[in-house]
Parts: sequence; C-alpha cells; structure tokens
Amino acid sequence: KNQVEQSPQSLIILEGKNCTLQCNYTVSPFSNLRWYKQDTGRGPVSLTIMTFSENTKSNGRYTATLDADTKQSSLHITASQLSDSASYICVETYGGSQGNLIFGKGTKLSVKP
Amino acid sequence: DADVTQTPRNRITKTGKRIMLECSQTKGHDRMYWYRQDPGLGLRLIYYSFDVKDINKGEISDGYSVSRQAQAKFSLSLESAIPNQTALYFCATTDNEQFFGPGTRLTVL
Repeated sequence: KNQVEQSPQSLIILEGKNCTLQCNYTVSPFSNLRWYKQDTGRGPVSLTIMTFSENTKSNGRYTATLDADTKQSSLHITASQLSDSASYICVETYGGSQGNLIFGKGTKLSVKP
Repeated sequence: DADVTQTPRNRITKTGKRIMLECSQTKGHDRMYWYRQDPGLGLRLIYYSFDVKDINKGEISDGYSVSRQAQAKFSLSLESAIPNQTALYFCATTDNEQFFGPGTRLTVL
C-alpha cells in the first residue's frame, strides 16, 4: 500500500532557530513530491514541488530535499518566525493521474518567542 | 479575491439532513477535488473531476455525491448526514500545483 510517513508528529522550537521535518514514502511509481503549509483552520498552501530528477528546491526560508533512492524527503526551515507555526504536510503524487495524491498526516510545528 | 472559495465556511446540522457544500474557482482549471480532513489524519480524497463531464470516486466516496455544474463550480452533497461525517472539508483545483479553498467545518449532531 502506498504510504507517506512524516516525523516528528509535532515539534516546538524557539523563534530564530532552524528545524528539519522528515518525510518517508513508499509511493511507486513516483511522479512528484510536494510540501504544503497549513495554518490552523485554513487550506494547505504549496511551498515546493519536486520531480524525480530534482534533489533540492527552495522557497525563501524553506528548503526541501529529495533522495529518490532512499525515498526520503526533508523540509528545512531556516531562522524560524512565529508565523511558521503551522502543520507541514508532505504529499506524493504517483502514476499519471492527478487524482493519485497521497497525503502525510503532517508535522505540527510551534514556534515560541 | 480568493482563487478558490467555499460556502458555507461553517455548518452545524442534524443526523439525516441533506447538506450541500459549494466550491467555486477563478483559476480556470479543469481539475477539481473534494477532500476531508480529520484530526490526526491526512487529507483523504472524496471525489474528483477532470472536466465538466467527468466525475471520479476517490478513496472515501461512500455517503457523498458531487455535481460539476460548470468548469468553475464543483459541489459536494451529503444526502443523509451522519455524525462520523463531522470533519473539515476542502475543495481544490490544479494545473500542476494544487490550490485549496479555505475549508468548510461541518458538524453533524
């Protein structure tokens, strides 16, 4: 069964610190990997999309990496801000259909002053 | 204006009632989706549509139906709501990137 596992489930860090969120997937065949940020009570917002051939992609203070060999991805947040407090969701797309998205359960990040 | 809008944003209803959640988009995308999100679980796909004449069941379609009235509109119906359909519902559209609506919080008593 295709799965996306994220760790940690939750994380608390101090403002200004860096952190890294992990995503492991078993999805096959792989199409692309996405990271979303979801504020409480809001819809997810796309941060990065990576294809099989991409190893890293940045969006401001967010940098996603992908290792297709080990089927692992990470999202690194640099110099965290209070507004980074949210859930971060890893999503795999597989096959040729846009209907085949597998969502992780997310990592809930809390940034404290 | 938001690219993807959902109405209502919040709804409380009783078991057995018929409920319709509506979604509109101004992105001009052909592909639209309905998801539900429950605490501690990832988003799960209910239905999706690749164009006006195309409707496909997702992972958890039982108890739900949809209507694609136009390219820009995709509605989700619960014919007879039950308490375990209490959840946060999201509509989304995509070209390559998915754009989500703000969500509808539905409570079935």
